[in-house]
This record gives sequence, C-alpha cells and structure tokens, in this order.
Amino acid sequence: DTGVSQDPRHKITKRGQNVTFRCDPISEHNRLYWYRQTLGQGPEFLTYFQNEAQLEKSRLLSDRFSAERPKGSFSTLEIQRTEQGDSAMYLCASSLSWGSYNEQFFGPGTRLTVL
Amino acid sequence: KQEVTQIPAALSVPEGENLVLNCSFTDSAIYNLQWFRQDPGKGLTSLLLIQSSQREQTSGRLNASLDKSSGRSTLYIAASQPGDSATYLCAVLNSGYSTLTFGKGTMLLVSP
Repeated sequence: DTGVSQDPRHKITKRGQNVTFRCDPISEHNRLYWYRQTLGQGPEFLTYFQNEAQLEKSRLLSDRFSAERPKGSFSTLEIQRTEQGDSAMYLCASSLSWGSYNEQFFGPGTRLTVL
Repeated sequence: KQEVTQIPAALSVPEGENLVLNCSFTDSAIYNLQWFRQDPGKGLTSLLLIQSSQREQTSGRLNASLDKSSGRSTLYIAASQPGDSATYLCAVLNSGYSTLTFGKGTMLLVSP
C-alpha cells in the first residue's frame, strides 16, 4: 500500500496561468477529497467524489476551479486564470464510504505559489 | 455550521514533559473526531480516530479523549520528545456529512 500520492509537490506559476494537480488515492478507497490550506490555518474542504461522481462542492470552489475523477481512480484539480489568492497547499485525501468510520488519509500536498 | 477551536495555538515544552492539547467544537452531532500531525510543509498524518460512541483512544504515548456532550476532545502526549515537534490538528466529521471540519492547530515545540 503506497498511500495517497500527489503530483506535483510544488508548483510556481504566474498570475493568469492555468495549473492542474493530480491525486492518486489509496487503491481500494472509493472516496476522494480535495482540501485547501493557507498558512496558519487548518485545511478547508473544497470538493469530494464517491467513485466518479462529484457529490459535494464547497462555496470556496469558484468557477475557476474544476475537479474530475473520470474513472473513479485518480483525480485532477484544475485552476484556471490563477490569482495570487490561490497560493496555498492543496491536499488530497481518500477514504472508504463503508466501515473504517470514514477515516480519511491524506497525501503530501501540492504547494502552489502564484507570482 | 460546525466550528472547531484549538487551544493553545502554540506550546513550547522541555523534553520529557507530559502535555495536553485541547479541541472544542460547537455542534455535538458528530460521527467521529480525528487528530492529525502535520510537519512543516508536509501533508497530514492521522494519529487517532475516535468514534462518537467512544470516550478515548490510545496509540503508544498518545491518548485522545472525547466528551461529545460538552463538545471537547483532548490529546495527551506522554513523555514528550523533540521528534514530537509538529502542528497537531483536530478535525470533526459531522453525522450525515462526509467532509472534515478542522481547527487551526496547535504548534508544538519540544526542546531537548
């Protein structure tokens, strides 16, 4: 079991550019979550999937953000027309929707810096 | 709306001390509560999960308690070590929901 992985680990981009992040969950987990964490704050929920269906989106997820999980395995999070306020750590987590009390396991995160 | 508060925001102790980190939440209708550890610039490592029906969970030198009715949880770390230095985050999962609500964390520094 390799745990949750995220790629890239760091991304520096210029304002206005588009960026895409990838998350690979623990293989048997059917739920996948995206959170965002800014400096000195706890993570905040963005969106989550059960299998390939996107079941919930936070109001934090503006229309510049889009997430997909096309085959119910890995997921991508795209940010269009990045702004300096998008600079944050983007965390992915996965869990089972049954048993295990929905314990969520997190990846190492992708640190985004928008210049 | 669930709100999670962690006190203190930062804590500095000498090696060997026992310490307690506090977490409070406003809505007692929770399904479970998780304690995480986060090293600087890294992701979150799950330490303990307490189900709403449980009062405490133990893992090695860590003990977490839960008092759902009063909206409180504590994380007790025994015989602290410099390697325990990290930020500790508390997160609750509300009943009927699937996403975690986090506190801002307690930054712990254990000095040799």
